[in-house]
Amino acid sequence: RKEVEQDPGPFNVPEGATVAFNCTYSNSASQSFFWYRQDCRKEPKLLMSVYSSGNEDGRFTAQLNRASQYISLLIRDSKLSDSATYLCVVNLNAGGTSYGKLTFGQGTILTVHP
Amino acid sequence: EAQVTQNPRYLITVTGKKLTVTCSQNMNHEYMSWYRQDPGLGLRQIYYSMNVEVTDKGDVPEGYKVSRKEKRNFPLILESPSPNQTSLYFCASSFGLANEQFFGPGTRLTVL
Repeated sequence: RKEVEQDPGPFNVPEGATVAFNCTYSNSASQSFFWYRQDCRKEPKLLMSVYSSGNEDGRFTAQLNRASQYISLLIRDSKLSDSATYLCVVNLNAGGTSYGKLTFGQGTILTVHP
Repeated sequence: EAQVTQNPRYLITVTGKKLTVTCSQNMNHEYMSWYRQDPGLGLRQIYYSMNVEVTDKGDVPEGYKVSRKEKRNFPLILESPSPNQTSLYFCASSFGLANEQFFGPGTRLTVL
């Protein structure tokens, strides 16, 4: 099992659709969870951090489920400009050895079409 | 302008010829990191540094070296590059693990 796992997709949705991605992680002691966005082999950029209580930023909602060890990203009212690869990132080893490691999922490709 | 810079942006080299990819940040970040990105494998961490003179291995450190003599610089060294190190490399920095990572523009390396 991969330490951080995402459904690679691709997800093809029409404009205005709601789409959700999940990301599972292997270590229950993990801290610091993030969603990054990457456009066409450019550098990744932070979309949002994921907090224990869940958080929202406009059309984007991130949630953390520690019991089931996954984080999720919900995008409402999809725009053409949301087309990108979405990467989840987890600090898996917080409190253990190599505690500074950050592990990326392999990314989920989203295409929003007219 | 706050940024992470990497040089070179593109490099084609031959097996065994030592090379260094530089990374510099001007945001006074403690944490710096190197990643490689390959199709189907996503971004994988090579090395990271929590602060000056503190470095540690990521998931794929074999064949790479790093140093952190100054806070702003974190060069990636390939002592004897091999074709399986052909990849897209990203450097990143942040104030810490719980903070946003800022990525450089990437270095596309081809080893023949």
